[in-house]
Amino acid sequence: SQKIEQNSEALNIQEGKTATLTCNYTNYSPAYLQWYRQDPGRGPVFLLLIRENEKEKRKERLKVTFDTTLKQSLFHITASQPADSATYLCAPLYNQGGKLIFGQGTELSVKP
Amino acid sequence: NAGVTQTPKFRVLKTGQSMTLLCAQDMNHEYMYWYRQDPGMGLRLIHYSVGEGTTAKGEVPDGYNVSRLKKQNFLLGLESAAPSQTSVYFCASLSRLSGRARHNEQFFGPGTRLTVL
Repeated sequence: SQKIEQNSEALNIQEGKTATLTCNYTNYSPAYLQWYRQDPGRGPVFLLLIRENEKEKRKERLKVTFDTTLKQSLFHITASQPADSATYLCAPLYNQGGKLIFGQGTELSVKP
Repeated sequence: NAGVTQTPKFRVLKTGQSMTLLCAQDMNHEYMYWYRQDPGMGLRLIHYSVGEGTTAKGEVPDGYNVSRLKKQNFLLGLESAAPSQTSVYFCASLSRLSGRARHNEQFFGPGTRLTVL
């Protein structure tokens, strides 16, 4: 079965720096890979989706890359702000009849 | 649109009691999902449905049953609750899996916090 691994340790960075989060998967590559943000006590919220044939996707201060050779996606937040502090989840889409699973998430803390 | 709603928001059960969690969506989505989230474990898929009248097992289905009698509702049942089922339960819906990115976005409900004593 597929395994999805994200940095288990929390990431602490200074305001203004770039945060980089990692998502690794095993076996075959997904058709798409999604990133979500989750705040304490709330459900996840969709941020970005990148397709298998796309190397990079950007949305405002967010950038996602997808390397099928390394079986890895990187999620970057540039010019980070304390409001970016949250847990970030990656979710590969394998088109396996609708089954969607998530990585365990990486907690990001941006200090002023 | 209310999006995805979950009922109840909180519940405390005794071991062996049963209950049903209700998830409703008003976006006419085909796919619906139930996840549980425990500290350090991330979101784990319990059951899911790809359309009215269909259900399928996820990663951790034991001890749970589901039904999707109406397209807009997805029910999660615990027949005999156990302390190991203490968790936060999230429901999610998705339009359909397709080549269009906007179809693949999952919308989540606010969660149900369940404690089994």
